[in-house]
Amino acid sequence: DQQVKQNSPSLSVQEGRISILNCDYTNSMFDYFLWYKKYPAEGPTFLISISSIKDKNEDGRFTVFLNKSAKHLSLHIVPSQPGDSAVYFCAASYPGGGADGLTFGKGTHLIIQP
Amino acid sequence: DVKVTQSSRYLVKRTGEKVFLECVQDMDHENMFWYRQDPGLGLRLIYFSYDVKMKEKGDIPEGYSVSREKKERFSLILESASTNQTSMYLCASSPGTPQNTGELFFGEGSRLTVL
Repeated sequence: DQQVKQNSPSLSVQEGRISILNCDYTNSMFDYFLWYKKYPAEGPTFLISISSIKDKNEDGRFTVFLNKSAKHLSLHIVPSQPGDSAVYFCAASYPGGGADGLTFGKGTHLIIQP
Repeated sequence: DVKVTQSSRYLVKRTGEKVFLECVQDMDHENMFWYRQDPGLGLRLIYFSYDVKMKEKGDIPEGYSVSREKKERFSLILESASTNQTSMYLCASSPGTPQNTGELFFGEGSRLTVL
């Protein structure tokens, strides 16, 4: 059973507008959430993260929001730029760090249109 | 910067061949991982290791084995490659606790095609 879900396989957004990528999780034991960005033929790169004790974390154009009661997080990109076109993976880890790895969603392919 | 290096970016193998995928990290990380990425399926954990000579099965270990003889090196082995193992293979590492925040550092990936 999938514990981290990204229900939108793809998302198309106009350049300059806001991109909102969503992620839901089912396991309340997760305490740390991360977003990774992946270009074709490259490894994923870390983008931004949030601890379960917070509800928002911001880094430049990227903001992640966490709603624990709804088991939902979202990544906002403002303004969207052509270089943001990539696959975005939501991931979660258990307490104590990720010694046993991260649980990933299936990814959302973000396409930024000029 | 953490560097995770995967030995082969692209490989083409035939069904039944033995395949070795090598991964080396230079940050003295305790934990190392092998994932595969397939369209529509995301990243799925094959095996991981939290110490030299230690290994743990991930979500999809069938058809794979691993070896970790040195801390910096983690190898993925396909004993007898099959076409359904055609995929992008991603190696990752992370530090042990308490430095570990959950973040994984990935290599650039190895695209394996099995004919």
